[in-house]
Amino acid sequence: EAAVTQSPRNKVTVTGGNVTLSCRQTNSHNYMYWYRQDTGHGLRLIHYSYGAGNLQIGDVPDGYKATRTTQEDFFLLLELASPSQTSLYFCASSETWGATAETLYFGSGTRLTVL
Amino acid sequence: GQQVKQSSPSLTVQEGGISILNCDYENDMFDYFAWYKKYPDNSPTLLISVRSNVDKREDGRLTVFLNKSGKHFSLHITASQPEDTAVYLCAAGDGGSNYKLTFGKGTLLTVTP
Repeated sequence: EAAVTQSPRNKVTVTGGNVTLSCRQTNSHNYMYWYRQDTGHGLRLIHYSYGAGNLQIGDVPDGYKATRTTQEDFFLLLELASPSQTSLYFCASSETWGATAETLYFGSGTRLTVL
Repeated sequence: GQQVKQSSPSLTVQEGGISILNCDYENDMFDYFAWYKKYPDNSPTLLISVRSNVDKREDGRLTVFLNKSGKHFSLHITASQPEDTAVYLCAAGDGGSNYKLTFGKGTLLTVTP
């Protein structure tokens, strides 16, 4: 099974703070995703990437930046955190698309609280 | 607008019964459909998926039905068990141009003994 590791598990910051969430996958998957999970909204896609150096905008990108530095590492950046960004964040990876390999493997999540 | 919709936030079924979870979508380009299961404080995991060239797929107690003309797909769980209690997330994707999955809001299935 694919391994996706997120850090930190929990993070508390203040409004206006600078936060970086990290995600590493060790199965050489091409695609990586950042989702946020909120009550009443399910999973919403923030940003995603096809490979190192690539970045695609998701469905709820406002207030977030992302960077894919290597095949393995995908970071989510909140440069001016706001209370509305308090959420549970999931990173996921998948091998490819169009070849019956679209399964998303999720990390354990990072719970972010913005005070 | 919401591209993938689960209209029932919750569903309760008795043990041994059939659980039917429904999902509607808007995008004609979606060609991949999946159901994920999520326990509280855990990450989602894939249950079953289907591509648009079939209208049904079975895997043990799980069956996915796809109705493309109605833009609807469903998950049937037979012989439901208390350990099936979880949130079920439907998801759809377009492998032609946008390599991403769009999720519904989820349905909490509770199977009572």
